[in-house]
Amino acid sequence: AQSVTQPDIHITVSEGASLELRCNYSYGATPYLFWYVQSPGQGLQLLLKYFSGDTLVQGIKGFEAEFKRSQSSFNLRKPSVHWSDAAEYFCAVGPYSGAGSYQLTFGKGTKLSVIP
Amino acid sequence: NAGVTQTPKFQVLKTGQSMTLQCAQDMNHNSMYWYRQDPGMGLRLIYYSASEGTTDKGEVPNGYNVSRLNKREFSLRLESAAPSQTSVYFCASSPSHSYYNEQFFGPGTRLTVL
Repeated sequence: AQSVTQPDIHITVSEGASLELRCNYSYGATPYLFWYVQSPGQGLQLLLKYFSGDTLVQGIKGFEAEFKRSQSSFNLRKPSVHWSDAAEYFCAVGPYSGAGSYQLTFGKGTKLSVIP
Repeated sequence: NAGVTQTPKFQVLKTGQSMTLQCAQDMNHNSMYWYRQDPGMGLRLIYYSASEGTTDKGEVPNGYNVSRLNKREFSLRLESAAPSQTSVYFCASSPSHSYYNEQFFGPGTRLTVL
């Protein structure tokens, strides 16, 4: 079965600093990979996704992620963090489990705090 | 265009009580989903409906039932609530049941079972 690990439960960065959130997955074939963001009291919003092709994926809000097959990782990055980026971030993997069927598996999330 | 709406926003139940969580989307999406979110657990899929008229179990279906009332509405029912069902419940919708389509999430329902 597929699994997703987000090693960091909570990260604090200063506004303007760079950010990298880690995500490692376990799956036998090439997975479909996603990053979602959840602002306080809100539902989840898709930041970016990777299916195939270029391993560096650009998303919304200035985020990008890089798929590294050799490391089974899909880390999320942003060069300069804004106070509004404070939220919880979820990595998810979605294998194809059968005809017309798939399920997303979410990591446990990384909470990002931003110091002004 | 409200997107995905959920009612109620908050609910407190006693053990053994029943209730239905409502979800509606106005994006003409075919697929709808129910997740639960527990602290330190991420989101887990309870049930989904790939298209109107179909429903399937997800990772944690025990203790729940669902109804796809029409294309817009997908409800989640707890027949006999248990404290283990205390959680935040999210409904989501997607144009179709495919990785290529983003899932759009509602704001959630925070449920406490005493």
